[in-house]
Amino acid sequence: GESVGLHLPTLSVQEGDNSIINCAYSNSASDYFIWYKQESGKGPQFIIDIRSNMDKRQGQRVTVLLNKTVKHLSLQIAATQPGDSAVYFCAEISDYGQNFVFGPGTRLSVLP
Amino acid sequence: DSGVTQTPKHLITATGQRVTLRCSPRSGDLSVYWYQQSLDQGLQFLIQYYNGEERAKGNILERFSAQQFPDLHSELNLSSLELGDSALYFCASSADRGDEKLFFGSGTQLSVL
Repeated sequence: GESVGLHLPTLSVQEGDNSIINCAYSNSASDYFIWYKQESGKGPQFIIDIRSNMDKRQGQRVTVLLNKTVKHLSLQIAATQPGDSAVYFCAEISDYGQNFVFGPGTRLSVLP
Repeated sequence: DSGVTQTPKHLITATGQRVTLRCSPRSGDLSVYWYQQSLDQGLQFLIQYYNGEERAKGNILERFSAQQFPDLHSELNLSSLELGDSALYFCASSADRGDEKLFFGSGTQLSVL
C-alpha cells in the first residue's frame, strides 16, 4: 500500500456534534475499505470496515458510507467526544488484500 | 494493544549511521508491512513481506532494506542516515488472504541529528 504525503486537512467540531470525514478513493476495483484512527504518537487503529457489496455499515457511534458511483467513502462519528481527536485515514484494498492504499488523512479536532 | 510489537520505541542517531528496527507481527500473521510517516504526513508504504519473501515494494530508498525471518519477525535496516530520514516507522501485519485488515505497531520514532 502507498499514500501520498500531504499537509493534513483539519476538521474542527464542537464536542457533542456529529463529525463527517470524507475520503475519495481512486481504484474502482477496490472491494474493501477500512477507516483507521491515529492518535498522537501511536500507530493507526482499526475503526470500521465495509465491503463493496454494502453501502452502509454501523458500529458504535460510527457509521461508514460507501458510494461506489463517485468513489467516495465517509466516516460519520456521532456525538463527537474529546477522545475522538486524532488523524483519520481511509484505506482502499483490492486484489485480495495485495493492494492496500491509504488516503492522505484528516485531522479531527474536537472543541470544548 | 494490536499485538504487533516494535522495538525500539525511540532511536536517536547521527547522520551517516546505520540502524535496525525490529517488528514482531501478531501471532499467526504471515504478512509484514513497513511504513514511514514524517511529521504531519500520510503513511508512505515502504515494503511488504509474506512468509519470508518480499511481496511488494513501495517508495523505499536503496539505503533501506528489510527482511523477514523464519519466525516471521522482520527487521528494517536504514543506512547512511540523513536528516530527512527522521520519521515514525510503523510495522503492520495481517493474516493475508481472507482477512485483509492491517494491524499496526506503535512505531519507532527515529531522530537523525
